[in-house]
Amino acid sequence: GIQVEQSPPDLILQEGANSTLRCNFSDSVNNLQWFHQNPWGQLINLFYIPSGTKQNGRLSATTVATERYSLLYISSSQTTDSGVYFCAVEDWDSNYQLIWGAGTKLIIKP
Amino acid sequence: DGGITQSPKYLFRKEGQNVTLSCEQNLNHDAMYWYRQDPGQGLRLIYYSQIVNDFQKGDIAEGYSVSREKKESFPLTVTSAQKNPTAFYLCASSISQDRRISRTEAFFGQGTRLTVV
Repeated sequence: GIQVEQSPPDLILQEGANSTLRCNFSDSVNNLQWFHQNPWGQLINLFYIPSGTKQNGRLSATTVATERYSLLYISSSQTTDSGVYFCAVEDWDSNYQLIWGAGTKLIIKP
Repeated sequence: DGGITQSPKYLFRKEGQNVTLSCEQNLNHDAMYWYRQDPGQGLRLIYYSQIVNDFQKGDIAEGYSVSREKKESFPLTVTSAQKNPTAFYLCASSISQDRRISRTEAFFGQGTRLTVV
């Protein structure tokens, strides 16, 4: 089955810094989503981005489907950006199931 | 507002007891999912359902059971056969008929933290 790898596994930054999180996937995908899991456990939808580039405030994401990767950019980090960022992809053959990466744990220090 | 509601937020279970976690959605989504998350880990699929009265096992279905009698509801029962049930449980839904949003975008509830005492 399809494999999803996220990097880096952990990232510690000072408030105000910029960061780039990467998601690699091993085969063609039908769907790719980025989520932020806050310290209370809730998964927040960030982007639904099977291809192309999207921006939402300080966050943006780019998926290059032909090269099988996606990048999540966080600019001017704030302490509220802390948490775990997950990438999940939908395999063409998976009956709409999402295949998850292991996540990137981001800590923003004040 | 449309969304997914999980209850309770916290649940304590004695060993040997069955407990049921509730998940309700008013997004008119066809598919619903249950995931388990252990501390510091990613999400693992327990069960999913793409249509009423039908559901499929995920990667870690042993010790769990589900039902899908209504489109809006997908309760999860953690049975006494589940050897290590203490975990965070997340419910999700997807596959929208609303053409204004992405068809297969998944949305999550706030989760239930289950602890065996």
